[in-house]
Amino acid sequence: LAKTTQPISMDSYEGQEVNITCSHNNIATNDYITWYQQFPSQGPRFIIQGYKTKVTNEVASLFIPADRKSSTLSLPRVSLSDTAVYYCLVGDDTGGFKTIFGAGTRLFVKA
Amino acid sequence: KAGVTQTPRYLIKTRGQQVTLSCSPISGHRSVSWYQQTPGQGLQFLFEYFSETQRNKGNFPGRFSGRQFSNSRSEMNVSTLELGDSALYLCASSLGGGWENTEAFFGQGTRLTVV
Repeated sequence: LAKTTQPISMDSYEGQEVNITCSHNNIATNDYITWYQQFPSQGPRFIIQGYKTKVTNEVASLFIPADRKSSTLSLPRVSLSDTAVYYCLVGDDTGGFKTIFGAGTRLFVKA
Repeated sequence: KAGVTQTPRYLIKTRGQQVTLSCSPISGHRSVSWYQQTPGQGLQFLFEYFSETQRNKGNFPGRFSGRQFSNSRSEMNVSTLELGDSALYLCASSLGGGWENTEAFFGQGTRLTVV
């Protein structure tokens, strides 16, 4: 399984754009990159998933360079409610969902 | 559509007892995974079931077991509870079986306290 590395914590202010980068040097050809958000005492919530280039949905964008050894989650104009832990995961589902969560990035948004 | 349902939400047990937690996945999802989350260890993968078969297993002792029924509902059991088993237990369901089907939907979890 590809191991991921991301910053332990980040601070931001309301209204700013936040970029969280994740390193996954050993990503396999079949692996997708998925980001989750978790609030205290709740299960993680899917944010976005991509395979290559750029993916955008209503809450975030995901940038993946050509070598796929890293990815960047971009949260536009964060608010206080975006304070959470963000997890980057890589894996595929062909051999079973055995996703391993790393420590995640704790984002703290200040007023 | 209905989300992932975990029952009970909260549970208090005594050391040495056993406990069974239940998870009802999203309709149509065949893969159910279980995780243990503690402040010190983060989210740790327990096991994953797909079509009633355990496909993957994490690094937990044999006291932790699970099963999946034909309707994809899953249960996990912890026997001979220890204080260190106190945690939030999360269940996730996904479609299963494809490169792109790695989006998992998590339940609210069961908060287990062992005293």
